[in-house]
Amino acid sequence: KQEVTQIPAALSVPEGENLVLNCSFTDSAIYNLQWFRQDPGKGLTSLLLIQSSQREQTSGRLNASLDKSSGRSTLYIAASQPGDSATYLCAVRGVGSARQLTFGSGTQLTVLP
Amino acid sequence: DVKVTQSSRYLVKRTGEKVFLECVQDMDHENMFWYRQDPGLGLRLIYFSYDVKMKEKGDIPEGYSVSREKKERFSLILESASTNQTSMYLCASSSPTGSGNTIYFGEGSWLTVV
Repeated sequence: KQEVTQIPAALSVPEGENLVLNCSFTDSAIYNLQWFRQDPGKGLTSLLLIQSSQREQTSGRLNASLDKSSGRSTLYIAASQPGDSATYLCAVRGVGSARQLTFGSGTQLTVLP
Repeated sequence: DVKVTQSSRYLVKRTGEKVFLECVQDMDHENMFWYRQDPGLGLRLIYFSYDVKMKEKGDIPEGYSVSREKKERFSLILESASTNQTSMYLCASSSPTGSGNTIYFGEGSWLTVV
């Protein structure tokens, strides 16, 4: 059974800093990996989706990478801002059960002004 | 933009009541999902549906049922609510072919069972 781990569980950084969030998964046979943002009390907003054949995806100040063979993905946030404060979750879609996602428990990010 | 709408944001129900949580998506997505999210447990899949009138159990289906009579609507039903079903419920939808399988979530429904 796929397991997804996100470390650290919480992170606090000063504004302007570049940072990396980590996601690891146990079964490398994945269809794709998706990063989400969740604000308190709200639903999840999709940030980036990486197909299994891709190495990275970029959107604005965000860059997500995927190393399928080692079971790892990173989300890089450049020049962090207080508005980036949220919980970031990664989710993996398996090949066998292509409609289901396995979620990590998230990293709670606080960017201090 | 894809929109997934959950009709109730906050509900308070009594133990034993029948509860309906409604979800509507406007992008003609085949796949729809219901998750619950609890502190320390993350998101857990309750049920999903990949077509009208089709449903499959997720990881924690006990105590829940679902209905998908129309493609755009997926309902979660708690036949007899219990206090351990107090949680945030998230509906989501995706297309197996479009948008690279990106999954879109609603804003969530906070259910308190007293």
